[in-house]
Amino acid sequence: GQNIDQPTEMTATEGAIVQINCTYQTSGFNGLFWYQQHAGEAPTFLSYNVLDGLEEKGRFSSFLSRSKGYSYLLLKELQMKDSASYLCAVVDSNYQLIWGAGTKLIIKP
Amino acid sequence: GAVVSQHPSWVICKSGTSVKIECRSLDFQATTMFWYRQFPKQSLMLMATSNEGSKATYEQGVEKDKFLINHASLTLSTLTVTSAHPEDSSFYICSAPFGGSNTEAFFGQGTRLTVV
Repeated sequence: GQNIDQPTEMTATEGAIVQINCTYQTSGFNGLFWYQQHAGEAPTFLSYNVLDGLEEKGRFSSFLSRSKGYSYLLLKELQMKDSASYLCAVVDSNYQLIWGAGTKLIIKP
Repeated sequence: GAVVSQHPSWVICKSGTSVKIECRSLDFQATTMFWYRQFPKQSLMLMATSNEGSKATYEQGVEKDKFLINHASLTLSTLTVTSAHPEDSSFYICSAPFGGSNTEAFFGQGTRLTVV
């Protein structure tokens, strides 16, 4: 079966760095998305990785290792507004999105 | 856990016909549901926000008359692609926020629409 695993919840301190991991087992791979979602709002796109390596975009970076079926989202200089859920989603061989359940990130002052 | 069920998973239709996609919240009530479309290797694009008992809110550039949204009950929202054309072929996905203390959104499985 197809499976996306990410931690249910994480807590970090304002100004610190946090890494949210995502492991996947899917039938084929055509890219991996990270989304941010604040409570009661639609998800917003953060990153898309299809090749191995690290992609940096401001305070957020996303890493992918296809051989390991592994990705992480790295958030630096955490701000209170970063408190949200972070969704990992993999595009399988049929171009269907396989979604993780999301990681709720709690930022403490 | 909360589940959102979307049906059908895939559909092929002829140009000019209409297709209805259903999105159901199975174990919770959803006053709001989100409808997205996604082209291959691209991000989800929010099309509209469906509101139970009132009109949907459409994103800029989305044709209201073409993508009809109905949210008739607290557990069902439908998206109807009217007079479909090949350029409407895409992946459509719905999501619903979960109420209470857990407000993460839960997504349907998606619908792959192919218009021939």
